[in-house]
Amino acid sequence: EPEVTQTPSHQVTQMGQEVILRCVPISNHLYFYWYRQILGQKVEFLVSFYNNEISEKSEIFDDQFSVERPDGSNFTLKIRSTKLEDSAMYFCASSVLQGGSEQYFGPGTRLTVT
Amino acid sequence: AQSVAQPEDQVNVAEGNPLTVKCTYSVSGNPYLFWYVQYPNRGLQFLLKYITGDNLVKGSYGFEAEFNKSQTSFHLKKPSALVSDSALYFCAVREGSNYQLIWGAGTKLIIKP
Repeated sequence: EPEVTQTPSHQVTQMGQEVILRCVPISNHLYFYWYRQILGQKVEFLVSFYNNEISEKSEIFDDQFSVERPDGSNFTLKIRSTKLEDSAMYFCASSVLQGGSEQYFGPGTRLTVT
Repeated sequence: AQSVAQPEDQVNVAEGNPLTVKCTYSVSGNPYLFWYVQYPNRGLQFLLKYITGDNLVKGSYGFEAEFNKSQTSFHLKKPSALVSDSALYFCAVREGSNYQLIWGAGTKLIIKP
């Protein structure tokens, strides 16, 4: 069964450093998403991406964040200058369509900012 | 504003008994409703969804959920719980034209042998 994959599984970085989190969505999916979950808190939407552009973003997704689909398979989330409060589990997801389509999630990348 | 409430942090059920995990939602338009399960150190796994049609929807692993528009609820149910059902369960809602899922806080389900 096709799966969303994410690398790395755990990333430790120092405050102020740039990080890139990588995701490979399911191959025939057209919509891509990033969510995060700070320890002990709700899952929060960051951004959705369709047709090579951002379709929706939350207030969390400020200028520090960017997304890219550099080739036909990868979908990346870049945080330019990490802050302590960026420490969280970051989930990538993809779906065939928007609307009522379920989103399929990767296993997550745990980002620890020290 | 859209929101999802899962009023129980934890639900304890004996194996073989029926289980219910509660979810209520608030959206201004027509909702798309989803249940996901998260096992330790794993991602969020899709269980079932309500889009339209029958209020009772069936999903993976014998789970089902009942959509109640008047009570704005979408409770997850299973007739006979298994120990392996122990996990964290999340309810999520999406309003028609939006892309994002809005999540509940999650309910920890513990099934005791």
